[in-house]
Amino acid sequence: GENVEQHPSTLSVQEGDSAVIKCTYSDSASNYFPWYKQELGKGPQLIIDIRSNVGEKKDQRIAVTLNKTAKHFSLHITETQPEDSAVYFCAAKGTGRRALTFGSGTRLQVQP
Amino acid sequence: EPEVTQTPSHQVTQMGQEVILRCVPISNHLYFYWYRQILGQKVEFLVSFYNNEISEKSEIFDDQFSVERPDGSNFTLKIRSTKLEDSAMYFCASSESGVTGELFFGEGSRLTVL
Repeated sequence: GENVEQHPSTLSVQEGDSAVIKCTYSDSASNYFPWYKQELGKGPQLIIDIRSNVGEKKDQRIAVTLNKTAKHFSLHITETQPEDSAVYFCAAKGTGRRALTFGSGTRLQVQP
Repeated sequence: EPEVTQTPSHQVTQMGQEVILRCVPISNHLYFYWYRQILGQKVEFLVSFYNNEISEKSEIFDDQFSVERPDGSNFTLKIRSTKLEDSAMYFCASSESGVTGELFFGEGSRLTVL
């Protein structure tokens, strides 16, 4: 089955700096790569996703890049704000109706 | 905005007891999922459900677990005889499409087994 590795496990940045979280996946057939933000005591919330026919996608301060050849994808958050502090999970989904496989999470702390 | 709702938000039970966690998926969604998250760890897939049957399940989802859609709105996860290691946050999710659709997660049900 799919295996998703995520790094780093914790990330501390100063407000206004950029944050980058990286993930690799094992199944070359995976074609959907969402990123979820989880705040304390809440369920994961989708913040951005990318499909395998696209190399990059941007939504305001958040962007995701995908390198299918290397089987890795990254989340970039620019101009970080304290409210960006949360745990971020990457995930990958194979073809058909396969379920999402999550990475181990990155705890992002934005220092004011 | 439509949302996935889960009950209870927290349940404490004794080891060996049966537990049922309930979920109301988004109304026009057809694919339903249960995930669990042990404190501080990753979100792990348990089971997916479509057209009144299990589509896929993980090795975690053993004979102690079952899922059911008893009516047109609820989707339940039953643990027959709880173990200490079942203590976790259980998340229900639903999706309009199992192939391309975004998963919407509920707020979770925290299960504590004593």
